[in-house]
Amino acid sequence: AQSVSQHNHHVILSEAASLELGCNYSYGGTVNLFWYVQYPGQHLQLLLKYFSGDPLVKGIKGFEAEFIKSKFSFNLRKPSVQWSDTAEYFCAAGFSGGYNKLIFGAGTRLAVHP
Amino acid sequence: DVKVTQSSRYLVKRTGEKVFLECVQDMDHENMFWYRQDPGLGLRLIYFSYDVKMKEKGDIPEGYSVSREKKERFSLILESASTNQTSMYLCASTLGGGLSNQPQHFGDGTRLSIL
Repeated sequence: AQSVSQHNHHVILSEAASLELGCNYSYGGTVNLFWYVQYPGQHLQLLLKYFSGDPLVKGIKGFEAEFIKSKFSFNLRKPSVQWSDTAEYFCAAGFSGGYNKLIFGAGTRLAVHP
Repeated sequence: DVKVTQSSRYLVKRTGEKVFLECVQDMDHENMFWYRQDPGLGLRLIYFSYDVKMKEKGDIPEGYSVSREKKERFSLILESASTNQTSMYLCASTLGGGLSNQPQHFGDGTRLSIL
């Protein structure tokens, strides 16, 4: 069955540190990939998405993600985090074909300390 | 900007009660979804609807039903609430077309406690 794995459940960083959150999916066919963020007390919102083309995708607030097809990965990165990046981050994969749904990973809670 | 509104932010109900969670979107979206969000499990799809009066089961439909009588409104119903249905419930919508290739727009969530 299709699945999405996020390797880190909790990440703690200091401000200005670099961030990389892992995301892997299990499916060999066409996949659309998303990263969502949920700030404390707010609704989930889209950070960035990848459908096709340039595998390096830039999103809002300085985030980017790289699609590596051979590794079934779509890791989220940010060169220098800020306290305001404290949130929960969800990777999601949309699998086309017979299983036409969006599957979310378990989420990664990021805490950034000043 | 898309607005998805869930009727309650917090709700406390008793075991065995019939519970209604309401969701309204204001952007004429075709598709609407109900998820539950639990720590360590991410978001799991309960039901979705791709048109008025049309619904499809998601991954965890047991104990739930849905209703979509109008395009903008999608209701989640807990027929007989149980304590294991204590969770955060999220409503989402997308414009139309495929279910896997569009960003979803989420409401603020309803934190439901069943006592």
